[in-house]
Amino acid sequence: EAQVTQNPRYLITVTGKKLTVTCSQNMNHEYMSWYRQDPGLGLRQIYYSMNVEVTDKGDVPEGYKVSRKEKRNFPLILESPSPNQTSLYFCASSLGEGGLNEQFFGPGTRLTVL
Amino acid sequence: GENVEQHPSTLSVQEGDSAVIKCTYSDSASNYFPWYKQELGKGPQLIIDIRSNVGEKKDQRIAVTLNKTAKHFSLHITETQPEDSAVYFCAASIRGEYGNKLVFGAGTILRVKS
Repeated sequence: EAQVTQNPRYLITVTGKKLTVTCSQNMNHEYMSWYRQDPGLGLRQIYYSMNVEVTDKGDVPEGYKVSRKEKRNFPLILESPSPNQTSLYFCASSLGEGGLNEQFFGPGTRLTVL
Repeated sequence: GENVEQHPSTLSVQEGDSAVIKCTYSDSASNYFPWYKQELGKGPQLIIDIRSNVGEKKDQRIAVTLNKTAKHFSLHITETQPEDSAVYFCAASIRGEYGNKLVFGAGTILRVKS
């Protein structure tokens, strides 16, 4: 089944404790992206990747890191999480440019930073 | 930067009635406008999209219209059903450093009352 998977689905952590949210897709898509969803703000892009080793900042990249060493994986790293990073996070992938093609979203990761 | 405004933020309709959600965008270079539906506990899923060379597109009970001059586009759902209840997001493409990306509206919560 073609899909985007994220792990973990739920995470409660404390300020400053490094964490990684994994994202994997099995559709051989070049483009992958991370979004955060907050009430009243919609989906805001954190980082995106056009292909392996090609990443760029989105609209809200502060406090986050990403890497794209393999085509299928695009982990999101929070080196020192803070309470303002409490949010619902989505990974997405698309064949070709994400801004011009259908994006396939993962099920989401709900993160709470205490 | 690009701004996408979406209205209304919540919409309640009676089953069988029509629902209309409207979005405006600021970047005249935007040329791709998708609509995503997010059901409870799931990631957003594309339901319909339109490109700038088309003024209207229809798929069964849903349709999207685009007015490039006025920089606004709308989602129309006819004969609404309870399963149409969800959060709907509009989006517009913008040109980034490494290609096009999407800017999303804040979302509309649609409730269909049976």
